[in-house]
Amino acid sequence: AQSVTQLDSHVSVSEGTPVLLRCNYSSSYSPSLFWYVQHPNKGLQLLLKYTSAATLVKGINGFEAEFKKSETSFHLTKPSAHMSDAAEYFCVVSDLNNQGGKLIFGQGTELSVKP
Amino acid sequence: EPEVTQTPSHQVTQMGQEVILRCVPISNHLYFYWYRQILGQKVEFLVSFYNNEISEKSEIFDDQFSVERPDGSNFTLKIRSTKLEDSAMYFCASKVSGTWETQYFGPGTRLLVL
Repeated sequence: AQSVTQLDSHVSVSEGTPVLLRCNYSSSYSPSLFWYVQHPNKGLQLLLKYTSAATLVKGINGFEAEFKKSETSFHLTKPSAHMSDAAEYFCVVSDLNNQGGKLIFGQGTELSVKP
Repeated sequence: EPEVTQTPSHQVTQMGQEVILRCVPISNHLYFYWYRQILGQKVEFLVSFYNNEISEKSEIFDDQFSVERPDGSNFTLKIRSTKLEDSAMYFCASKVSGTWETQYFGPGTRLLVL
């Protein structure tokens, strides 16, 4: 069975400092991994996705994530946080062998950015 | 840019009443999904729908739930007799096709059952 664990429920950083949101996954098959962001009262927006191509994935708004199979991790990073990055971030896994493609979500990490 | 839309944005209903949540997926998409997020909990998969039939459903998706694509544009989730524990944010999502494609989410419908 697939699962996702986000290691921090809340992360607080200062504006201009790096962001690291941690995610570990468990999957019996070749996983497809995603990071989605949810701003207050908004829907879920895709930040980036990994689908077995390059292990370092670049997304929108300067975010990137690295797929590390040996560590079963897919951590999200950004070199310099901006106030507008404050939101809830979800690490998500999907089974590439499942044509229906349901997504399995982590618990979410709330990112706060201090001025 | 095309987007998934959902109506209503908020709905309040009495326990035992039927509700229908509506979604308009992106027009050339073929796979459709409903997820829900109970306040303070993770987003959970409910059901996937392809080629006019359910392709997968979770344990949550019991006989009280049903989905329908009544025409070429709408995708609906019906809860026949709502319970207090159905209170949640319900998200619709769609994707073009295939395993590698991204699911695009709507803004959600917040359902409150009293």
